[in-house]
Amino acid sequence: DGGITQSPKYLFRKEGQNVTLSCEQNLNHDAMYWYRQDPGQGLRLIYYSQIVNDFQKGDIAEGYSVSREKKESFPLTVTSAQKNPTAFYLCASSISDWGASTEAFFGQGTRLTVV
Amino acid sequence: KQEVTQIPAALSVPEGENLVLNCSFTDSAIYNLQWFRQDPGKGLTSLLLIQSSQREQTSGRLNASLDKSSGRSTLYIAASQPGDSATYLCAVHSGGSNYKLTFGKGTLLTVNP
Repeated sequence: DGGITQSPKYLFRKEGQNVTLSCEQNLNHDAMYWYRQDPGQGLRLIYYSQIVNDFQKGDIAEGYSVSREKKESFPLTVTSAQKNPTAFYLCASSISDWGASTEAFFGQGTRLTVV
Repeated sequence: KQEVTQIPAALSVPEGENLVLNCSFTDSAIYNLQWFRQDPGKGLTSLLLIQSSQREQTSGRLNASLDKSSGRSTLYIAASQPGDSATYLCAVHSGGSNYKLTFGKGTLLTVNP
């Protein structure tokens, strides 16, 4: 089955903890993205990566970190510096960020709750 | 800065009705536009991708149009069914060194049996 796998589906974090959300794709896509979704605010871009060992900040990168050591994997760490981490997190990938036919595909999301 | 607006925010229709969802964007310099469907608590499912050079795309009962010069797209759903109930999201791909998808806030569609 080709696609994007996010894990875990649900995650609970205590105040002051760092947590890491997993995103793996077997679509052989170069570009990968992390979005945050909050009610009434739509999707907002946290980080994106166009190629292995390279990534750029999106609109709301503060309090988050990423790595891209392998083409297939783009984990997101929510650090204790993120003031309001409770949200639904979505990972996406596309063939390339250059050119017109860059259809994006999404995983099923991880719901993070601070307890 | 690219901004995407979707109207209406919510729509309720009886089963069998044809309907149109609207999407507008402020910067016409886009690579393409993509329509997604999202069910509650789930990820996004890609419905249609329209290249900037295209006017429309069709998939089954769905037809999406693009008027790049006026910054508008519509998603037409024919003969709606209760299973079509979901949130529909429009997103534009902007190119250059700051490539990313910019999303609208979505239209919540309810199709009543």
